[in-house]
Amino acid sequence: NAGVTQTPKFRILKIGQSMTLQCTQDMNHNYMYWYRQDPGMGLKLIYYSVGAGITDKGEVPNGYNVSRSTTEDFPLRLELAAPSQTSVYFCASSLGGMDTEAFFGQGTRLTVV
Amino acid sequence: QQQVKQSPQSLIVQKGGISIINCAYENTAFDYFPWYQQFPGKGPALLIAIRPDVSEKKEGRFTISFNKSAKQFSLHIMDSQPGDSATYFCAASWGAGNMLTFGGGTRLMVKP
Repeated sequence: NAGVTQTPKFRILKIGQSMTLQCTQDMNHNYMYWYRQDPGMGLKLIYYSVGAGITDKGEVPNGYNVSRSTTEDFPLRLELAAPSQTSVYFCASSLGGMDTEAFFGQGTRLTVV
Repeated sequence: QQQVKQSPQSLIVQKGGISIINCAYENTAFDYFPWYQQFPGKGPALLIAIRPDVSEKKEGRFTISFNKSAKQFSLHIMDSQPGDSATYFCAASWGAGNMLTFGGGTRLMVKP
């Protein structure tokens, strides 16, 4: 059981470039999330999805886009990368509802130079 | 107010000692309070969690104390071990989608 898988693990982008962070889960969870973690800080919610075809903004959505065409996949798109987007990005999934555990991927460390 | 405030930022404890991490929140709509443990280079993993209608929950060496009236909750790690050295995050859940608001994290070091 792979859980939540993120690719790539590391990436260096130049300012203005675009990229997609991939996330897939094999637990048949309806709910999926993208968080970012800046050095020495807690995680902040970027976007979330409650099911295929449904997405919504979290706390820090600017500069990002998401899509959810299948239950398994929840890619995060960065358009026009900026140094402020240098961070570690975590994808997570859960069954949803109160008391349910969120399972996190290993993270993608992104540096924008 | 969606913030969750966590203290201390770092903590050094001797092996066998008690580690205590505190969190406070403002939003009474939060309905679930998990603690996550994160090792370097890894994603956070659920350690223990509590609902607001419970004042204390214990799992092995880990205990959450919850004070609803004060809007505070804390993690106690008894008999701390070097293997407990990690970053700990408190969090609060909101909405049907179980979205999480995280505290700033506490880097715990347990000295042998």
